[in-house]
Amino acid sequence: DAKTTQPPSMDCAEGRAANLPCNHSTISGNEYVYWYRQIHSQGPQYIIHGLKNNETNEMASLIITEDRKSSTLILPHATLRDTAVYYCIGIVLETSGSRLTFGEGTQLTVNP
Amino acid sequence: GAGVSQSPRYKVAKRGQDVALRCDPISGHVSLFWYQQALGQGPEFLTYFQNEAQLDKSGLPSDRFFAERPEGSVSTLKIQRTQQEDSAVYLCASSLEGVYSNQPQHFGDGTRLSIL
Repeated sequence: DAKTTQPPSMDCAEGRAANLPCNHSTISGNEYVYWYRQIHSQGPQYIIHGLKNNETNEMASLIITEDRKSSTLILPHATLRDTAVYYCIGIVLETSGSRLTFGEGTQLTVNP
Repeated sequence: GAGVSQSPRYKVAKRGQDVALRCDPISGHVSLFWYQQALGQGPEFLTYFQNEAQLDKSGLPSDRFFAERPEGSVSTLKIQRTQQEDSAVYLCASSLEGVYSNQPQHFGDGTRLSIL
């Protein structure tokens, strides 16, 4: 699985878009990128995942660069409840199964 | 519908005691995962099951840790002769399909274990 690199912290104003970057320069062709977040004292929450194409769901959008070496998670209209640690995780399902390897993550703070 | 349920929510034990932590996955979910989260760190993988089969236990830190899922539903993580370094939050997650699918994992809120 590729090592992922994320900034340790970010701030965002309430109502604005939050753009969280992730570098995964050693990603392999069959490696998925997953995003989870963890709000204090709760279990991690799945947000979105993708392989090559950009993805969108009711929570967020995932933009993957053409060379797949980096991606951006976009929360279109951040609210105070989006304050959490966000984890970007690369997984090669065929070799490691869907076990998640959490790194340091990005602490996103949404300010009023 | 109901999510992943873990019990107890908090557990305090004296060093040397045995503890058992329970996980009730989402009904019908095939895969079940256990993670350990130390204070201020991200979760770390312990083991996973596909139905009743334990396919990977490479993350279990010692032979004092044992997990089972005998009927392919509820799972129990047991820690024998607990030590202070076992203090952590133990998280359980389940997924709809097998461990090699790209289906997301759904987590419970964990059991916070404190060893005195």
